[in-house]
Amino acid sequence: ILNVEQSPQSLHVQEGDSTNFTCSFPSSNFYALHWYRWETAKSPEALFVMTLNGDEKKKGRISATLNTKEGYSYLYIKGSQPEDSATYLCAFTPYSGSARQLTFGSGTQLTVLP
Amino acid sequence: NAGVMQNPRHLVRRRGQEARLRCSPMKGHSHVYWYRQLPEEGLKFMVYLQKENIIDESGMPKERFSAEFPKEGPSILRIQQVVRGDSAAYFCASSPSGTDTQYFGPGTRLTVL
Repeated sequence: ILNVEQSPQSLHVQEGDSTNFTCSFPSSNFYALHWYRWETAKSPEALFVMTLNGDEKKKGRISATLNTKEGYSYLYIKGSQPEDSATYLCAFTPYSGSARQLTFGSGTQLTVLP
Repeated sequence: NAGVMQNPRHLVRRRGQEARLRCSPMKGHSHVYWYRQLPEEGLKFMVYLQKENIIDESGMPKERFSAEFPKEGPSILRIQQVVRGDSAAYFCASSPSGTDTQYFGPGTRLTVL
């Protein structure tokens, strides 16, 4: 059973604060690590997919790093805005032949207070 | 380019009835995945399909659940003889290949009375 854990479970920050959260995943048999942003009543929105140790990806004020050797990824949000409020999910894909299922963490629920 | 489409968005069934959930992948995507979110739980993988083939069904319950992705038309997740425990949100995702980002639809919320 693959274990993908995210912390913290929830987070409240003030507008303008920078914040980060963690995703830990099995370090063996790694294929890819995905980050999604999920607003209530909407589809999960793909942010990043990372495959190489040391990968860093950036999209606007959001960035992510990847350490496959120790099994963790960080998501950073710089200068949080109320519209950043959402649940941030990470998902792990192991290397397993033709299978490409995502195993999701339980998410970090971010609330940005104006 | 329209996103992943799912219908219906909400489905109510009585115990023992059949539920059919449809997923139209993004244009150009030939890989479809189904995930389920039970109440108070996270997204869990059910099945991965390519056109006319089931690639990985390791997350599908052994009985009453089936999925298909025909050569023409949407992918269908079929639940026979639904029970209350099947009440959940069912999400479909698609990708152009099995190695790319999976793009999610808005989900179908199934309620079994």
